[in-house]
Amino acid sequence: AQRVTQPEKLLSVFKGAPVELKCNYSYSGSPELFWYVQYSRQRLQLLLRHISRESIKGFTADLNKGETSFHLKKPFAQEEDSAMYYCALSAGSQGNLIFGKGTKLSVKP
Amino acid sequence: ETGVTQSPTHLIKTRGQQVTLRCSSQSGHNTVSWYQQALGQGPQFIFQYYREEENGRGNFPPRFSGLQFPNYSSELNVNALELDDSALYLCASSLDGNSYNEQFFGPGTRLTVL
Repeated sequence: AQRVTQPEKLLSVFKGAPVELKCNYSYSGSPELFWYVQYSRQRLQLLLRHISRESIKGFTADLNKGETSFHLKKPFAQEEDSAMYYCALSAGSQGNLIFGKGTKLSVKP
Repeated sequence: ETGVTQSPTHLIKTRGQQVTLRCSSQSGHNTVSWYQQALGQGPQFIFQYYREEENGRGNFPPRFSGLQFPNYSSELNVNALELDDSALYLCASSLDGNSYNEQFFGPGTRLTVL
């Protein structure tokens, strides 16, 4: 079964600390993985996708097929990073997304 | 460039009623996907429309149906509403309905079923 697991509902860190939001997936094919973010009072938006291998707002994510993981990392968290983060898997050629339950990141001053 | 819009913003219905939610896709996009987001959960895929045809469906019963118009706007219809249908309904538009293209989400319609 296709599934995305985000084990932490809430992650709280202090400003300047490293942050890692965990994501594990279950998919029999070749996965396409994404991180979406929702800031307070804003709509869900794409943060990054594994195929682009880019860093957005200081965040990176590496696809580890052996561990079936796609953890999101940032070396120095900022207060403006506080948001809800969703890991998502693209299932099938249509591109429909399977989302995890999300992790709320709170960065304290 | 106009972003994805949804209407109405909020809606209250009673069990057994029918509801229609609307979505206007971003300029230039020909694909609309609908998601249901229950409280405390991630969005769950309902179905996708690409150039006016259904192009994939999630695990939702047939009382969830949709439509896409020639201008690529879309409707989600839910018949015989149940209490568990209470959720935030999101639509997302993209180009060409494939997995490589970013999906742009609307603000959502909050449906409450009493």
